[in-house]
Amino acid sequence: DAKTTQPPSMDCAEGRAANLPCNHSTISGNEYVYWYRQIHSQGPQYIIHGLKNNETNEMASLIITEDRKSSTLILPHATLRDTAVYYCIVSLTGANSKLTFGKGITLSVRP
Amino acid sequence: GAVVSQHPSWVICKSGTSVKIECRSLDFQATTMFWYRQFPKQSLMLMATSNEGSKATYEQGVEKDKFLINHASLTLSTLTVTSAHPEDSSFYICSASGLAGGSYEQYFGPGTRLTVT
Repeated sequence: DAKTTQPPSMDCAEGRAANLPCNHSTISGNEYVYWYRQIHSQGPQYIIHGLKNNETNEMASLIITEDRKSSTLILPHATLRDTAVYYCIVSLTGANSKLTFGKGITLSVRP
Repeated sequence: GAVVSQHPSWVICKSGTSVKIECRSLDFQATTMFWYRQFPKQSLMLMATSNEGSKATYEQGVEKDKFLINHASLTLSTLTVTSAHPEDSSFYICSASGLAGGSYEQYFGPGTRLTVT
């Protein structure tokens, strides 16, 4: 079973920031928080991951609370192409580490 | 970088036949590859973990004799669906594990849509 809970859906206006929440209250000390997204009928796309510090890359920012029980993925300027299912996953990091996908959150970006 | 390809992207086969799906890591070597299955309106379900040169590890409930996995090189893994039936129709996705910045990420292929008639 997935160790994360996410709202089923949310929407935001194009050009605005999209803040996607995720709860992972049972995360263990050496587990990372990973975010992937899946655009319809495509394979998942890696977005970002982190352990405890906030992370930023060209796609998004990841904010992890100090107690690591929740996190937020921020897409700073959402576009229509960001409409997708976003998965928050906690996992150990290792070549054989498995990813357990939950239901994710469907983000709809409206014009 | 970190591109994973799958072939074919879609396939239609008749019930009782076998189908092979290839997964390649194009610009990195992957000691570990994973195979997932996704039914319509559902999430990805891990089927098996494949390590180069050794037997795959299957998740509970996945028939290893039906879903044959071969990982003969660091850039290629194959999934063969044997004696396919209509209930095997699904979206099959592979991923390859790569080291980036001190931790591992999984890079996913574009998926293969299998329809069994």
